[in-house]
Amino acid sequence: AQSVTQLDSQVPVFEEAPVELRCNYSSSVSVYLFWYVQYPNQGLQLLLKYLSGSTLVKGINGFEAEFNKSQTSFHLRKPSVHISDTAEYFCAVSDPTNAGKSTFGDGTTLTVKP
Amino acid sequence: EAQVTQNPRYLITVTGKKLTVTCSQNMNHEYMSWYRQDPGLGLRQIYYSMNVEVTDKGDVPEGYKVSRKEKRNFPLILESPSPNQTSLYFCASSGSRRVESPLHFGNGTRLTVT
Repeated sequence: AQSVTQLDSQVPVFEEAPVELRCNYSSSVSVYLFWYVQYPNQGLQLLLKYLSGSTLVKGINGFEAEFNKSQTSFHLRKPSVHISDTAEYFCAVSDPTNAGKSTFGDGTTLTVKP
Repeated sequence: EAQVTQNPRYLITVTGKKLTVTCSQNMNHEYMSWYRQDPGLGLRQIYYSMNVEVTDKGDVPEGYKVSRKEKRNFPLILESPSPNQTSLYFCASSGSRRVESPLHFGNGTRLTVT
């Protein structure tokens, strides 16, 4: 079984400051990792994904994430946030041995203040 | 435009009155899935379908039914809704390389059962 833990339920930050949203996962097999963003009254949209290769992956809207296998982490970062980045962010894993299942973290609400 | 369409967006009903939430995708995706989102609990998978006539339970299937008679449609059925099924529901679909492919989400259906 796999699990995903997002370490912060809420992250308030000022505009133009850097931000890191933390995600740890647990799995007995290698997994694929995703970050999704959910804006108010909308569904989730893909920000970025890690399948293999370089451990630093870049996504849309200036976000990037680093896969750390030894620490089983996949933290999301942005060097300078905007008001429009205010949203809920979900880390997710999919299991190659169970194609039907994706496991999501509980979400982190990022609030960017002016 | 590639999209997943859910209807209705909002639904208020009473305990025991059968309802169906529709989901349709226009991307020819084989995989479709239903999730419910509750505060502090993230997204939990209800049912999924790997292809037409192939469905399986997710983490929280009790009280729900699904069917997949056509590739594009994956309705969620609540035969006898109860207040604990009040939630925000999302339908999602994914391409053939399921575990590597991101999920495409609908905009959600907010269900209230009184």
